[in-house]
Amino acid sequence: AQTVTQSQPEMSVQEAETVTLSCTYDTSENNYYLFWYKQPPSRQMILVIRQEAYKQQNATENRFSVNFQKAAKSFSLKISDSQLGDTAMYFCAFMKTGGGADGLTFGKGTHLIIQP
Amino acid sequence: KAGVTQTPRYLIKTRGQQVTLSCSPISGHRSVSWYQQTPGQGLQFLFEYFSETQRNKGNFPGRFSGRQFSNSRSEMNVSTLELGDSALYLCASSLELAGAYPNEQFFGPGTRLTVL
Repeated sequence: AQTVTQSQPEMSVQEAETVTLSCTYDTSENNYYLFWYKQPPSRQMILVIRQEAYKQQNATENRFSVNFQKAAKSFSLKISDSQLGDTAMYFCAFMKTGGGADGLTFGKGTHLIIQP
Repeated sequence: KAGVTQTPRYLIKTRGQQVTLSCSPISGHRSVSWYQQTPGQGLQFLFEYFSETQRNKGNFPGRFSGRQFSNSRSEMNVSTLELGDSALYLCASSLELAGAYPNEQFFGPGTRLTVL
């Protein structure tokens, strides 16, 4: 079984600042995917960014990027030029290769607050 | 294209009752997964259905069950409700095409179940 740990229950930064959310995971699998999901106060879970474990290049999506360290089993999310709309719960998640059959394993989440 | 829809959005039940929640996936999506979200346990995988068959199940008691219909719509049922079943129940659908990258899960808004 795999576990996902997010060590920062809550973070608060000023608008336009850069913030990094931490995530570590434990697995014996070699092929897997990692995700960051955002859950705003409206509760709709949205995929922010994903990373395939076999890819060495870190994924980026506009202001969002990850630092994937496979050997260290670390998968942090960096948000640049943070905006008020980035305020949300952020969940790090793991999925074994092979699709959704085993489901996503989530961390406990980090509540990110962007202050004006 | 319409997103994942879940009905009802809110539900109040008493201990011992049973409840059925419904999820309509994005058109064309063949896989439906269910998750339970609570403040204490976070997000936990319940089960996943594909082509009307349960492919995998999380670590939940037999009181939690589900099914999928030929149109991919899914229902989950919880019998003999307990106070601890109070949670947000999230449904997610994915395309599940062979070789598709990586079966991204799209979440619905959830059903908030309160057990009194």
